[in-house]
Amino acid sequence: SQQGEEDPQALSIQEGENATMNCSYKTSINNLQWYRQNSGRGLVHLILIRSNEREKHSGRLRVTLDTSKKSSSLLITASRAADTASYFCATDTGGAQKLVFGQGTRLTINP
Amino acid sequence: EADIYQTPRYLVIGTGKKITLECSQTMGHDKMYWYQQDPGMELHLIHYSYGVNSTEKGDLSSESTVSRIRTEHFPLTLESARPSHTSQYLCASGWSATNEKLFFGSGTQLSVL
Repeated sequence: SQQGEEDPQALSIQEGENATMNCSYKTSINNLQWYRQNSGRGLVHLILIRSNEREKHSGRLRVTLDTSKKSSSLLITASRAADTASYFCATDTGGAQKLVFGQGTRLTINP
Repeated sequence: EADIYQTPRYLVIGTGKKITLECSQTMGHDKMYWYQQDPGMELHLIHYSYGVNSTEKGDLSSESTVSRIRTEHFPLTLESARPSHTSQYLCASGWSATNEKLFFGSGTQLSVL
């Protein structure tokens, strides 16, 4: 079973609105990371939040982490058409394989 | 931008052919990974390496093999391609000391007819 599960699987909003994506995981983690993937391309690292942090900001991105609920959320504010992509959470559980990716949220920003 | 390169970008081949997907990085990373990803789906780890002469199988069974003779190079080989191997293959690298960020190549889209 997947360590990370993301919700929703797909999200479509208007440009300028905020987009929120959620990630839930099953086992304890060292850190949780968010990546973006444009269609047909590789993943790009966006932001990392450690297990002892609750919130982190980077530009228009805001990430929260609730270790008691084993969940994280990614908020993109003032969305732009260029934000259209798939967004993946990845958890570092400290195991041999290190990062485990969720199934992603497909975000579409409509102009 | 990440300095990790995958070739070819697209590959269409017939069943039974032997192929090698290339992956090279210029950042000196000790860790390298191969992921398989179907369109719109999650990433599945198929191979990883923590350094030269170190290779391990990932959580998804794969008929492919890998080698790590040089730090910067981590090729993936399919001895006999089948239609079930049709997928996108993503290579990634990072530092084992921190495990805080992976850099991904642009991927190879493989189609086996």
